[in-house]
Amino acid sequence: AQKITQTQPGMFVQEKEAVTLDCTYDTSDQSYGLFWYKQPSSGEMIFLIYQGSYDEQNATEGRYSLNFQKARKSANLVISASQLGDSAMYFCAMREASGTYKYIFGTGTRLKVLA
Amino acid sequence: NAGVTQTPKFQVLKTGQSMTLQCAQDMNHNSMYWYRQDPGMGLRLIYYSASEGTTDKGEVPNGYNVSRLNKREFSLRLESAAPSQTSVYFCASSQDPSNTGELFFGEGSRLTVL
Repeated sequence: AQKITQTQPGMFVQEKEAVTLDCTYDTSDQSYGLFWYKQPSSGEMIFLIYQGSYDEQNATEGRYSLNFQKARKSANLVISASQLGDSAMYFCAMREASGTYKYIFGTGTRLKVLA
Repeated sequence: NAGVTQTPKFQVLKTGQSMTLQCAQDMNHNSMYWYRQDPGMGLRLIYYSASEGTTDKGEVPNGYNVSRLNKREFSLRLESAAPSQTSVYFCASSQDPSNTGELFFGEGSRLTVL
């Protein structure tokens, strides 16, 4: 069965520094997608970045990059040059491509950026 | 540019009452989902509908029913609300995974059961 694990309930980072949020996953499928979402205190879910299991290069979107290590089944989110507005809850998610299209989420990491 | 619209945004129920959360998307997506979010638990899938006319159970379906009314609408019903169903509920939709297949979320519905 699919499973997403985020082992860091909370993280602190100094403004302008980089931070890595950990995510490991478990699946028996060869084809799957990995996603990161941001949830600010206002509550909406904001899509950040996507990585396909067959993508050979790590995904990047502006200050966000996904450090994809397929053999280790990890999909860590790296935020460079942190800003105060990055303070939020971050969720890692996975979708298996075979059949059901279910999306499974981790428990999230709360990031606080310090001035 | 509406995207995914959920109603109501807030609701307070008494134990045993029933209610329906409505969700509609205007992006012509095939798949729709209902999640609940509880502190420390992340988002847990209640039910989903991979296409019009089909629905399937997710991780936590007990106490809920769903209806995929048409391609646009996917409702979640609580027949007899319990305090354990106090939560924030999110509806989401996605296109089939021919593209990135990201989930598009509604703004959430905060439900309190007394």
